[in-house]
Amino acid sequence: NAGVMQNPRHLVRRRGQEARLRCSPMKGHSHVYWYRQLPEEGLKFMVYLQKENIIDESGMPKERFSAEFPKEGPSILRIQQVVRGDSAAYFCASSLSTDEAFFGQGTRLTVV
Amino acid sequence: AQSVTQLDSQVPVFEEAPVELRCNYSSSVSVYLFWYVQYPNQGLQLLLKYLSGSTLVESINGFEAEFNKSQTSFHLRKPSVHISDTAEYFCAVRMVGTGANNLFFGTGTRLTVIP
Repeated sequence: NAGVMQNPRHLVRRRGQEARLRCSPMKGHSHVYWYRQLPEEGLKFMVYLQKENIIDESGMPKERFSAEFPKEGPSILRIQQVVRGDSAAYFCASSLSTDEAFFGQGTRLTVV
Repeated sequence: AQSVTQLDSQVPVFEEAPVELRCNYSSSVSVYLFWYVQYPNQGLQLLLKYLSGSTLVESINGFEAEFNKSQTSFHLRKPSVHISDTAEYFCAVRMVGTGANNLFFGTGTRLTVIP
């Protein structure tokens, strides 16, 4: 049973470009969570999705960030018009219920 | 809201020596407590957790942590470390009855085991 798969592992974008981060949850998991780790900080919750629905987006920045988890395919975290401050490690996690979540390897976004 | 403090950002220790990684939390309600480990180039893995019952919890690779409610701590210990324990360790809390969208993480402690 493959774990949570995130791609790409590393992503470099110029300021103003769009970044798309993908997350394939563990088989059978319908709950997906995105966390962000800024340099020298702990992971911070961004958004929680179940299939086709956003359940909790209390940690998402109000502008430029969006997330989706379609009926088919991976969850996508999209960042439009990236700025240097978006440089961070973005972690996805999935769970079968609301209990224990399993984390992926993360995507390290660098904005140049 | 909850918060987690990991006072030590880096802990170097010689192989086979004991180690303690400190974690203190703040919460006005009951919480679950977790330690996650991130090995180089890998994702976060759950190392151990306290949900209820015995305040001393153990992992399969020799780590243990003790929930101390009066001191609001959940320190991680291992009596004898191995080179393979080199990793970053994150302490996290979650309010009882909530899900993984309510995990609050500390800033992490980088454990380096020196041969």
